[in-house]
Amino acid sequence: SAVISQKPSRDICQRGTSLTIQCQVDSQVTMMFWYRQQPGQSLTLIATANQGSEATYESGFVIDKFPISRPNLTFSTLTVSNMSPEDSSIYLCSVVLARTRGTQYFGPGTRLTVL
Amino acid sequence: DQQVKQNSPSLSVQEGRISILNCDYTNSMFDYFLWYKKYPAEGPTFLISISSIKDKNEDGRFTVFLNKSAKHLSLHIVPSQPGDSAVYFCAAGGATNKLIFGTGTLLAVQP
Repeated sequence: SAVISQKPSRDICQRGTSLTIQCQVDSQVTMMFWYRQQPGQSLTLIATANQGSEATYESGFVIDKFPISRPNLTFSTLTVSNMSPEDSSIYLCSVVLARTRGTQYFGPGTRLTVL
Repeated sequence: DQQVKQNSPSLSVQEGRISILNCDYTNSMFDYFLWYKKYPAEGPTFLISISSIKDKNEDGRFTVFLNKSAKHLSLHIVPSQPGDSAVYFCAAGGATNKLIFGTGTLLAVQP
């Protein structure tokens, strides 16, 4: 596998503000993804982070709300913009390693609470 | 439209016995399936996977069975240990490398 880190691990934010979450991997990866897990729910894919180009968003998620950057193969950021209490979730990045097809490895997650 | 379903939200098993977690899917285009374990406040940990060309894959105490005709897979853990207590997610993937996750099953292994 690989070492995947996320920063911050948790945060409490005020309504209307924005938070940027970082994801760093110590290995070469082919794909990076961002997921959300709302309380008591399963994991929902937000978007695929594409290196050097705009992310590919899933239905129900838009770039203005969740801008994503991926400047190189091993680093990506997800911003949660103009937050509301409904954005309170765990946000997770995942990667597909260069040597393993299909299997995604997850970071530890960022627990976000919006007041 | 829930493409991947885990119909049992929870399961309780005695230590040393077998745990069987089930998962059903609807999309016949999925060509690989995975199981993840998740502890609170941690990210999901990959356990085991299976390709659609196989019907069984084994790794230590964990075995995954795939029944393509029934669109059903199961994870067997034997013997179960208290440290196995966690939420287990099945996931399905295809050509895009995107994964669709089930709703999860909370496994409690009683000492």
